[in-house]
Amino acid sequence: DAGVIQSPRHEVTEMGQEVTLRCKPISGHNSLFWYRQTMMRGLELLIYFNNNVPIDDSGMPEDRFSAKMPNASFSTLKIQPSEPRDSAVYFCASSYKIETSYEQYFGPGTRLTVT
Amino acid sequence: AQKVTQAQTEISVVEKEDVTLDCVYETRDTTYYLFWYKQPPSGELVFLIRRNSFDEQNEISGRYSWNFQKSTSSFNFTITASQVVDSAVYFCALKGNTPLVFGKGTRLSVIA
Repeated sequence: DAGVIQSPRHEVTEMGQEVTLRCKPISGHNSLFWYRQTMMRGLELLIYFNNNVPIDDSGMPEDRFSAKMPNASFSTLKIQPSEPRDSAVYFCASSYKIETSYEQYFGPGTRLTVT
Repeated sequence: AQKVTQAQTEISVVEKEDVTLDCVYETRDTTYYLFWYKQPPSGELVFLIRRNSFDEQNEISGRYSWNFQKSTSSFNFTITASQVVDSAVYFCALKGNTPLVFGKGTRLSVIA
């Protein structure tokens, strides 16, 4: 079975450019999570969806960040405009249900570098 | 508020040694779940185990074992006879009525 799929795996962009990260959750999972990992702050939850609906976006750092989940098999995380401090690894994870705390399965991550 | 503390930032052991990674958590929820994840040098996060707050039975899976003690709010992870392939960052995580909260991780280096 395919796991969580993220694209691109690596992204290098210049400050001010728009960046879009993509995620395909595991089929059948109905919860999706976006995380950011940096050396300084560790793993941070940015936003999560349940049945395609955003439940909590309090972790989104600024208005420059936005996330969508138009259907059960696709989500995007967009940064516009990007800044060097956005450089990090961005993980997408999915799980079956949020209430019963099924374990989250993570994608391979997107390493973003903003110069 | 929920919190996970992994006091050991880095551990280095020689191959075949046993090593224990500590995890202490804080929560006011009566029902909660604890997890361990492994992040090898390749970068992906791999799920290892989930434990719920009602089950304090220790678990063993091959060379891995987990010790859950509610009395001390700890969920420690032991690797027996460590191998070089165990080198990774290990994260402990907690879920109560909110999504997963991760500890800062412990970087384990196993030296041949």
